[in-house]
Amino acid sequence: NAGVTQTPKFRVLKTGQSMTLLCAQDMNHEYMYWYRQDPGMGLRLIHYSVGEGTTAKGEVPDGYNVSRLKKQNFLLGLESAAPSQTSVYFCASSYDGGANVLTFGAGSRLTVL
Amino acid sequence: KQEVTQIPAALSVPEGENLVLNCSFTDSAIYNLQWFRQDPGKGLTSLLLIQSSQREQTSGRLNASLDKSSGRSTLYIAASQPGDSATYLCAVRGNQGGKLIFGQGTELSVKP
Repeated sequence: NAGVTQTPKFRVLKTGQSMTLLCAQDMNHEYMYWYRQDPGMGLRLIHYSVGEGTTAKGEVPDGYNVSRLKKQNFLLGLESAAPSQTSVYFCASSYDGGANVLTFGAGSRLTVL
Repeated sequence: KQEVTQIPAALSVPEGENLVLNCSFTDSAIYNLQWFRQDPGKGLTSLLLIQSSQREQTSGRLNASLDKSSGRSTLYIAASQPGDSATYLCAVRGNQGGKLIFGQGTELSVKP
């Protein structure tokens, strides 16, 4: 039972390059989330999804796009990477948006030069 | 806007001590509150979840309390062990929108 799997775990990009982070969960969860974690800033919500085919903006959505074409996958895209997007990205999922706990992936460390 | 604060940012204690981690939030209209543990370079692991109607939750040596009216939660760790060393984060889910708002965490070090 894998839980939440993020790929890749590490990536180095040059400014202006694009990339996609993949999050996959095998728990049949409806809700999925993308967070970024920066020193001294805690975790901040980028985008989230309440079900297949739906997405919504979080606290810091600018510069990112997401898609949820399949229930088990939630993709985070950077169209034109900037140094300010250097961060550790975490995906999480939950059965619903209320009473149940979040399950987190191990994180993806992205460096933009 | 909900704000979540955790004080202190770092805490070092000798093995065997009982300790309390604090979490405060500005908007008492919450749905629930969760405590997480994060080991260096790893993701977050959920420790305890307290619904807004509950006062506390217990799991092993961990006890979390919630006082909505004062906007506070505490995580009590009994008989601390070096393996408890990690960063502990609290997160609040609001009634509107259901998004989790995280505190910045308390980095705990338990010395043998």
